[in-house]
Amino acid sequence: SQKIEQNSEALNIQEGKTATLTCNYTNYSPAYLQWYRQDPGRGPVFLLLIRENEKEKRKERLKVTFDTTLKQSLFHITASQPADSATYLCALGGADSSYKLIFGSGTRLLVRP
Amino acid sequence: GAVVSQHPSRVICKSGTSVKIECRSLDFQATTMFWYRQFPKKSLMLMATSNEGSKATYEQGVEKDKFLINHASLTLSTLTVTSAHPEDSSFYICSALIDGVSNQPQHFGDGTRLSIL
Repeated sequence: SQKIEQNSEALNIQEGKTATLTCNYTNYSPAYLQWYRQDPGRGPVFLLLIRENEKEKRKERLKVTFDTTLKQSLFHITASQPADSATYLCALGGADSSYKLIFGSGTRLLVRP
Repeated sequence: GAVVSQHPSRVICKSGTSVKIECRSLDFQATTMFWYRQFPKKSLMLMATSNEGSKATYEQGVEKDKFLINHASLTLSTLTVTSAHPEDSSFYICSALIDGVSNQPQHFGDGTRLSIL
């Protein structure tokens, strides 16, 4: 069955450092991968989308890589700030004709001042 | 842009009550909306795909008679939890797709915390 794995342990880093979050998947061939941010008690907010034929995508301090051979995506936040503290979800989609997404369970990021 | 409003944000009610949750796209039309359920520190689990003007498509294991979905307009989908019981307590979140845009993200509401006593 399809499986998406994100590190369930919280990532705790110092302000100013680069945070790197990992998303691994099995038994799935996504057409695209998305990253969302979710704050406690709120709905997810879209951050970045990367397609299967793209290796890397950037947006301001965010960078996403997508390796379809390793079946892995890395999500980087450079110059991290305490305001970046949240749970980050990866989601896969596009393997079929629907617009459905399969979500990972998320990784909680804590940026210390 | 692409704002999705979900109402109510929190509901506390007695066992056996039916609860309706609304999901509205405020500044765009959405033929397709999704309903998710999320348990603490767990992933979003897709319950169903809501399609305007047609029946919803439910995921395996989701009781369609328990979770009634109505998508009567291009900006509104509703989820009704019928005869709710404590095990139905959860965080319910909707999302919407903007009509006519391909390879797009889902736009989420802020969720409804449902607590059944």
